[in-house]
Amino acid sequence: SSELTQDPAVSVALGQTVRITCQGDSLRSYYASWYQQKPGQAPVLVIYGKNNRPSGIPDRFSGSSSGNTASLTITGAQAEDEADYYCNSRDSSGNPRVFGTGTKVTVL
Amino acid sequence: QVQLVQSGAEVKKPGASVKVSCKASGYTFTSYYMHWVRQAPGQGLEWMGIINPSGGSTSYAQKFQGRVTMTRDTSTSTVYMELSSLRSEDTAVYYCARAPQHLDAFDIWGQGTMVTVSS
Repeated sequence: SSELTQDPAVSVALGQTVRITCQGDSLRSYYASWYQQKPGQAPVLVIYGKNNRPSGIPDRFSGSSSGNTASLTITGAQAEDEADYYCNSRDSSGNPRVFGTGTKVTVL
Repeated sequence: QVQLVQSGAEVKKPGASVKVSCKASGYTFTSYYMHWVRQAPGQGLEWMGIINPSGGSTSYAQKFQGRVTMTRDTSTSTVYMELSSLRSEDTAVYYCARAPQHLDAFDIWGQGTMVTVSS
C-alpha cells in the first residue's frame, strides 16, 4: 500500500528553525496537510494546500512541496511547538487518504 | 461554535462490535464530508474511511473493508462508525474529523473515543 514516510524524531533549539519532511509518490500529484498532536489531545490542522494556515495558527508554521516531498517548517520554534506532527494526503494506490508515519519534535 | 462531540469510552470483548457516534453542531451537517481516523496506543494516525452526510455514500480503507460500516442520521446531525469482529489490535482512540472540500484537509476533530478490546 502507498505510504507517506516521515523521520521518527527531530530536535530543535528554542528559537531556531526545524523542517519536517514527508515523502511519498502521491505527493507528486497532491498537496499534503499537516497536523500537530500533543499528548492526550486530538490532532490540530496547522497547514493545508500549497501553504495555508487556519485561523489561529502562528505564522512561524509554513509548508512547501517539491517532487515527492512535502515539508513543514517551524521558524523560531517555541516550547509549545513540542508535539507529534503528521502529514496527510490523498493516496494514489487505492485508499482515498493516507497519513504519514509521524515525527516527534522536541524543543531543547 | 463548530464542534464534533463523540460518544464515550467502550470496552468490548474480542469478536464483538462497537458503534461510535459523532454529533456535529454549529454548521450545515450535510455540506461537509466526515472521516474516521484511529490511533492505537503509542502509535500513529490511521485513516479508516469517509462518509458523505448528504447522500450517505461511503469509502473505506482497504484494511477495514468488510468490517467497518459508516452511517449518518441527518435528523440529529450525527455520523456513526461501527467496527465488527473486534480483536485486541483494534484497541485505539477513534476520531471523527470534518473535511471541507475547499480545504482538502481535516479542519475540525472530535475529542476521540477510546475503544478497548479485551477478554
